[in-house]
Amino acid sequence: QQQVKQSPQSLIVQKGGISIINCAYENTAFDYFPWYQQFPGKGPALLIAIRPDVSEKKEGRFTISFNKSAKQFSLHIMDSQPGDSATYFCAAGDNNDMRFGAGTRLTVKP
Amino acid sequence: DAGVIQSPRHEVTEMGQEVTLRCKPISGHDYLFWYRQTMMRGLELLIYFNNNVPIDDSGMPEDRFSAKMPNASFSTLKIQPSEPRDSAVYFCASSTPGLAKNIQYFGAGTRLSVL
Repeated sequence: QQQVKQSPQSLIVQKGGISIINCAYENTAFDYFPWYQQFPGKGPALLIAIRPDVSEKKEGRFTISFNKSAKQFSLHIMDSQPGDSATYFCAAGDNNDMRFGAGTRLTVKP
Repeated sequence: DAGVIQSPRHEVTEMGQEVTLRCKPISGHDYLFWYRQTMMRGLELLIYFNNNVPIDDSGMPEDRFSAKMPNASFSTLKIQPSEPRDSAVYFCASSTPGLAKNIQYFGAGTRLSVL
C-alpha cells in the first residue's frame, strides 16, 4: 500500500534553523501533494499543499519544493520554532485516492 | 461546523471483545476515510466511502474488521474479535472533491488499547 516514501523518520533542529523533510511518490497520475501537521493527541491537519503545475509554493515560513521529473517533493520550515515540534506527513493523490508517508517527528530545541 | 467527530476518544477492551468506533463527518462532505496509526506502520488507509458506498477496502487488515456508513452523517468501524495487535489510534477523515481537491479533515482519533 505504501506508495509514498518519507524521510527522515525523525529530525531534531535548533530554534531558528531550517527543517527539511523529503518525500517520493510512485504514481505519476497523482496531482495533489499536501503536507499535514499533527500535534500529540490530535488528528493531522492540512498545513500546505501543491499541485504539479508549479515547482514551489510558500506560505509564511513553510515552503514546498516539487520536482515532477524526479517524483519528489519536500517541505522546508524556515526559522524553525519550538511550536513547530510535531509529526509531519506528506501525501500524494488525486480526487479518488490519497496516500500518506510514514511521518517525520520533528523536534525543535529552544 | 464542529469538524469531524469521533467517539469514543479512548477505548480499552479485552482480547476477544467486539469494538465499535464511531464517526460523524463534516456536513456536506461526501468522502469518508478510516485510518489506523501506529508507530511501526505510520498512517494506514483502511477503507473509504463515497456517498455512503465503500469504494476501496483493500487496506482492511482482515475479516475481523468491518466498516459501514448507513447514512451521510454516520460511519462505524467494527473489530470483532479484537486482538492486542489492533491497539492503535484510529482516525476518521472526511472530504469533498472539487476546488478543495480532496483536502481531508481529520477527527481527533480514537485510541484503542486491546489487553
